[in-house]
Amino acid sequence: QVRLVQSGAEVKEPGASVRLSCKTYGYTFSHYAVTWVRQAPGQGLEWTGWNSALRGTTEYAQKVQGRVTMTTDTSTNTAYMELRGLRSDDTAVYYCAKGDSRNGMDVWGQGTTVTVSS
Amino acid sequence: SYVLTQPPSVSVAPGKTATIMCGGDKIGGKSVQWYQQKPGQAPVMVIHYDRDRPSGIPERFSGSNSGNTATLTISRVEAGDEADYYCHVWDNDSDHGVFGAGTKVTVL
Repeated sequence: QVRLVQSGAEVKEPGASVRLSCKTYGYTFSHYAVTWVRQAPGQGLEWTGWNSALRGTTEYAQKVQGRVTMTTDTSTNTAYMELRGLRSDDTAVYYCAKGDSRNGMDVWGQGTTVTVSS
Repeated sequence: SYVLTQPPSVSVAPGKTATIMCGGDKIGGKSVQWYQQKPGQAPVMVIHYDRDRPSGIPERFSGSNSGNTATLTISRVEAGDEADYYCHVWDNDSDHGVFGAGTKVTVL
């Protein structure tokens, strides 16, 4: 069974960094991209970026460009997203998903809540 | 940047048909997905490649895409279809994914 299991909730102060993990099960991890999507409270879905171990490709949304790094560890089938210089508007639920925006994201993690507050 | 436009809300009676539109410049030339999200849950892909249903998605869900409008149609609507629905594409010009703002479907 294909599953993506994300790390637990985080509370951070403005300016801090956070590293989220997304451990995958049940498929060949290196054959698919991992896409990250976030959702601020009461708001819609926001594409945040993607990482393809197969293609060696990474793209980030402009809102997080320069502050984010998305990586994959094929030895543990885990994807990571690090976001630095946290701001209050980074408060959101962060989802990882198997797949990409061309072919679709067919399995999603349960989401990680990140709260940025002083 | 590329913009997708969705109506904020659609209301439909049980057993009737819900139609959700997603407008974008020449969206007919892009591959569209639709995602269903119920409160407190992660999104679920209900349509990809404009009109294909992933395994496990009921036949009541169908999609089309032409010109400047993509459409998600839910036939014989059930109470369990009440959710937010988002269209999504890849924008080749910006190399970014783009979501519509979402449409809340209310079953009367």
